Formats: sequence, C-alpha cells, structure tokens
Amino acid sequence: DGGITQSPKYLFRKEGQNVTLSCEQNLNHDAMYWYRQDPGQGLRLIYYSQIVNDFQKGDIAEGYSVSREKKESFPLTVTSAQKNPTAFYLCASSSSGSWYNEQFFGPGTRLTVL
Amino acid sequence: GDSVTQMEGPVTLSEEAFLTINCTYTATGYPSLFWYVQYPGEGLQLLLKATKADDKGSNKGFEATYRKETTSFHLEKGSVQVSDSAVYFCALMTNTGNQFYFGTGTSLTVIP
Repeated sequence: DGGITQSPKYLFRKEGQNVTLSCEQNLNHDAMYWYRQDPGQGLRLIYYSQIVNDFQKGDIAEGYSVSREKKESFPLTVTSAQKNPTAFYLCASSSSGSWYNEQFFGPGTRLTVL
Repeated sequence: GDSVTQMEGPVTLSEEAFLTINCTYTATGYPSLFWYVQYPGEGLQLLLKATKADDKGSNKGFEATYRKETTSFHLEKGSVQVSDSAVYFCALMTNTGNQFYFGTGTSLTVIP
C-alpha cells in the first residue's frame, strides 16, 4: 500500500539534544512538507520541499533543519536552538505542480522534551 | 495574502443532529478547497475536496459546496454519529500549486 510513514510515533528528548524525525513516502510525490501542531491549534508550516535537493523555510523554521537527498525521504531535525519543541509533528506529501491535488499526511510523531 | 477562516469550536452535538462548520477563504485566482479530518492522536485524512466553483465534494455523508460568490466552503452533514467526533480542518491550495493553507481546526464532539 502506498502511503507516508513517520517514525517514531513517540519521542522523548532531553533539553539541549538534537533529535531527528523520520518521514518516508512511497507515493512518488515530488513535494513534501513538515508541520507542527500544538494542542488545540492548527497546523504551522516548518519547511517544505518541491524537489530533491531543494527546500524552503515555512512560517516557523527557526530551530529546525531538513534535508532532501532522496525523493522518498524528508527528515526533520529539531535542534537545541528550538525553544519550545514539545509538539505533534506531521509530515505530508503531494504531487507538486497540480493545484487540485491534496496533501497526504503521515500518522505524526509526538515529541516531548523532558 | 491567501488564507482560510473557519468557525471556532468546540462544537458539541447530540447524535443525529445536523452539522454545519463554516469556512471562508481569501485567495487570488481559483484555489482548490479541501476538508480534512483528524482523529485523536492521528494524522490528517482527506474528507472531501472541490476544485472549481459550484463543485460539491462529498464523502461519508459529509458535503461541501465551493461557493465563489461568497468565498465559502461550509461543511455539512445531515445526521452526525458519535464516530464523527474529531477535529475538522478547512484548507486551500493556491492555483500555482505550491502553497497549502489550513484553517485553525474545529473540534466536534457528538454525544449519544
């Protein structure tokens, strides 16, 4: 089955540590996205990538970094510079260049900083 | 800039009640419009979509009509069930195909 996988589902981090969240898709989508969701709030865009080896900052990129070395993979690193990293992180993908195509979402990773 | 505004929640309804969640948008050109649903602890799932004016998206008893004259895409269901309890997000994709905007989400709780 085609889809998006995120791992791990739950992640705990000590303050001052970097941590990397995995996102893999087998939908052959060009575009991939990372969102952050805080309790009772909507989604905020962290980074997005329209094509391999290229990515752009979203609305809240500070304290985060990404890479896009393969079409299927778009890992997100939460660095120690992120002041309040505890949140639910969602990865998504879509066929770029087609304005009528929806985004497909992974199941999310809940990050807790101890 | 482009944006989506949806009604604030939370919304609490009795089973079999009629549901409306309002969504209005601001966009240049002709965006595509979407409703997503999020169950507790999960990612978002596409519920329905409409890609041009007067299109009606429908799925699982939910409907929404793309109204360009009122820039709206309200979600409706004639008879809600307990299993419909979730958070609902309205979203738009710009017609350049590279920007997605989400509303803040509306939490729905259906009580037996």
